[in-house]
Amino acid sequence: AQSVTQLDSQVPVFEEAPVELRCNYSSSVSVYLFWYVQYPNQGLQLLLKYLSGSTLVKGINGFEAEFNKSQTSFHLRKPSVHISDTAEYFCAVSDRGNTPLVFGKGTRLSVIA
Amino acid sequence: NAGVTQTPKFRVLKTGQSMTLLCAQDMNHEYMYWYRQDPGMGLRLIHYSVGEGTTAKGEVPDGYNVSRLKKQNFLLGLESAAPSQTSVYFCASSYAPFGDTEAFFGQGTRLTVV
Repeated sequence: AQSVTQLDSQVPVFEEAPVELRCNYSSSVSVYLFWYVQYPNQGLQLLLKYLSGSTLVKGINGFEAEFNKSQTSFHLRKPSVHISDTAEYFCAVSDRGNTPLVFGKGTRLSVIA
Repeated sequence: NAGVTQTPKFRVLKTGQSMTLLCAQDMNHEYMYWYRQDPGMGLRLIHYSVGEGTTAKGEVPDGYNVSRLKKQNFLLGLESAAPSQTSVYFCASSYAPFGDTEAFFGQGTRLTVV
């Protein structure tokens, strides 16, 4: 069964600084990868997804992620964060649509003014 | 445009009581899911459904039952609530299977079992 590891449970960062949230998944022949964001007291919202094709995926709110098959990673990046990016971020994986989404434990991003 | 609606939003139960959480979606999605979210644990899949009349177990199904009698509704039942079931429950739905397309989430139900 697939598993997802989000290496940082909390990431504090100053406003306008860059950020990287790390995600690794267990090896599989082929996978779909996702990043979801959860704002306080809200449900989850899709940020971006990788299904196939270009390994650099751009999402909403200026976020992007890079799929690295050899390192089984799908790290999320943003070049300049805003206070409004404060939220919890979840990485998720599915075996090419054959299994339900498996989520990581989440990374809490705190943007400091 | 409601999307995915969960009721109730909050509930406090005594140990041993039963309750049903309702999830309703208006997007004509085939696939529906129930997850629970616990601090430091992320989201874990309880049960899911690939269409009306079908259900399947997820990662943590014990203590829960589900039913999908209508395509738009997915019910999660707790027959005899336990403190370990204190959690935030999220329902989600998607048009295509398991990640082919975006899964839409409800706002969550915060359940406390005392």
